[in-house]
Amino acid sequence: GENVEQHPSTLSVQEGDSAVIKCTYSDSASNYFPWYKQELGKRPQLIIDIRSNVGEKKDQRIAVTLNKTAKHFSLHITETQPEDSAVYFCAASTLAGTALIFGKGTTLSVSS
Amino acid sequence: GAVVSQHPSRVICKSGTSVKIECRSLDFQATTMFWYRQFPKQSLMLMATSNEGSKATYEQGVEKDKFLINHASLTLSTLTVTSAHPEDSSFYICSADPGTGSYEQYFGPGTRLTVT
Repeated sequence: GENVEQHPSTLSVQEGDSAVIKCTYSDSASNYFPWYKQELGKRPQLIIDIRSNVGEKKDQRIAVTLNKTAKHFSLHITETQPEDSAVYFCAASTLAGTALIFGKGTTLSVSS
Repeated sequence: GAVVSQHPSRVICKSGTSVKIECRSLDFQATTMFWYRQFPKQSLMLMATSNEGSKATYEQGVEKDKFLINHASLTLSTLTVTSAHPEDSSFYICSADPGTGSYEQYFGPGTRLTVT
C-alpha cells in the first residue's frame, strides 16, 4: 500500500521567513496530494491540494510543487506569520473516493 | 456547504464499556466515509472505509469486532468502540466523500475519547 514520508518533523522559522515541508510517496498510482493544517484538538483543514497533471499550484502565500517522476511534493509558505504555527500534514490518494494516507506531520513554529 | 459533524465531541467512559460515535454529513450525501484515529502528537491513521449499505473495509491491524462500523444511510456512519480499554483513548475523526468525483474529503471535528 501507499506510504507517505514527511520531513522535517519540526520546523522553526522567524516571522517573514519561508518554510518548506517535503513529502515523498511510494505508490506511483497516487494522483492527488492535499496539504492540511491542524490546530490542537481540531479537524484538519485543507490549505492547498494538487493533482498529478499539474506541477505547481499557488494560492497567495502558499504553494505546492509536485515531481511525479521522483514521487515527491512540497509545501512552500512564504512570509510566514505567527498564525501559521500549527501541525501540517501531507497526504496522498489514488482515486476520488479512496482514503487519504497521511504523512507523520510537521510542527511549524513561527516566532515573531 | 460540505459540513460534517461528529457526536459526541468528547466522551469519557469506563474500561469495559462501549461507546458510539456518530459522523453525519449535514448538507450532502456521502457514499463513502472514512474513520481515522489520531494519538497525541501523531498523524491520522486510517482505521476503516465505510460504504453505505455494505460492510466496512478495515485496515490491517484494526480489529473489526472491536471497532464496529455501521453506515446505514447516505448521511450517517457510526463507529462503536466495544469493550473499551485505556489504550483506545484517542482522537477519532471521520471524513466523508461526496461522491461527485472530486478528490476532496470533508472532515468532522473529531471525538476525543478517554477511557478510564
